[in-house]
Amino acid sequence: SQKIEQNSEALNIQEGKTATLTCNYTNYSPAYLQWYRQDPGRGPVFLLLIRENEKEKRKERLKVTFDTTLKQSLFHITASQPADSATYLCALLTGGGNKLTFGTGTQLKVEL
Amino acid sequence: NAGVTQTPKFQVLKTGQSMTLQCAQDMNHEYMSWYRQDPGMGLRLIHYSVGAGITDQGEVPNGYNVSRSTTEDFPLRLLSAAPSQTSVYFCASSRPWTGRGEKLFFGSGTQLSVL
Repeated sequence: SQKIEQNSEALNIQEGKTATLTCNYTNYSPAYLQWYRQDPGRGPVFLLLIRENEKEKRKERLKVTFDTTLKQSLFHITASQPADSATYLCALLTGGGNKLTFGTGTQLKVEL
Repeated sequence: NAGVTQTPKFQVLKTGQSMTLQCAQDMNHEYMSWYRQDPGMGLRLIHYSVGAGITDQGEVPNGYNVSRSTTEDFPLRLLSAAPSQTSVYFCASSRPWTGRGEKLFFGSGTQLSVL
């Protein structure tokens, strides 16, 4: 069956450290992968997109990698801040290209 | 621009009641979709529309109806609410869907409880 897996356990890190979140998928061959941020009581907000032919993408303190052989994407936040605390969702293009399918998300808590 | 607006924000229904969740966007987006979000299940696609007059089913369409008579609006109808439909519902929109990298813009959600 097709699955998108993100670590269901919350990730707690100290301010200033790098947070690394993982998105693993099986039985998909997505043309691209997206990362979203979701705060409590709010809808997800788009952060980054990485295509299948790209190894790495950066935006300010964010970095995403995409390994289509391992079927894995890593999402890094460098110099993390308490304001980065949120749930982060990965999403793949699926269903013949008409749909975005989301992982369950990983909650990140950045502590002082 | 208001973006994607969902109403109501909260709703409590009794089993068997019907209701419509409203979604409107002012970005002239052709693609609109409805997701539900449940603990441990993530966001699951209910229905989507690639333009006015065109709708299609997502992963969990049973118990829900949609129509798209205008570009701006994409209401979600629950014909006979069931406790299993207790969830948070999100509407999302994007530019014309080419499958080449459109990002979704989400509303703030409707929290629905069916008793």
